[in-house]
Amino acid sequence: GEDVEQSLFLSVREGDSSVINCTYTDSSSTYLYWYKQEPGAGLQLLTYIFSNMDMKQDQRLTVLLNKKDKHLSLRIADTQTGDSAIYFCADGEDNRLAFGKGNQVVVIP
Amino acid sequence: DTGVSQNPRHKITKRGQNVTFRCDPISEHNRLYWYRQTLGQGPEFLTYFQNEAQLEKSRLLSDRFSAERPKGSFSTLEIQRTEQGDSAMYLCASSVDSRRELFFGEGSRLTVL
Repeated sequence: GEDVEQSLFLSVREGDSSVINCTYTDSSSTYLYWYKQEPGAGLQLLTYIFSNMDMKQDQRLTVLLNKKDKHLSLRIADTQTGDSAIYFCADGEDNRLAFGKGNQVVVIP
Repeated sequence: DTGVSQNPRHKITKRGQNVTFRCDPISEHNRLYWYRQTLGQGPEFLTYFQNEAQLEKSRLLSDRFSAERPKGSFSTLEIQRTEQGDSAMYLCASSVDSRRELFFGEGSRLTVL
């Protein structure tokens, strides 16, 4: 994996949708990932998408991949207070991942 | 299974001292990874093991850093002659082969004064 870029902060009301964006540079990555980091907890894999796919839906999570623009997004539907965390996108092979700086999502009740 | 365990959780040391962190991966996970995370940044890959073999080291891993996994189970990361720039959270993760999920520990935070 190489450079992965993310914007930094998002505030969203409970029940609304939240969208987090990421750009990456390593077009050879087979998979792209979204990880979640809550305070005092280890990073947790949320979902991943195969690089040949455009979209993947997993319950409240929707991942969109635009390979042409090297743009990855994560949409969280019906955002809940438990979704407050830092979200990292990552690329790379064999779990030798390059992570972005992360997006902090704050859910307002 | 209690997940990936790291010790100590927090280490404060003076510049120039040596420190060692330990990671106990999930049992039966043959791959073990070390990452470093500084404030406001995402994790950066340092090195990884398959069983006891260290397969790759990042250029971030200077010669003051050494990692071992002698019996293919727990791993240690030693930093010699610590510098203030080494202050960071050191994360350990494990996986079964290169399956697409890394299980991270809660990290060991190093503060170098």
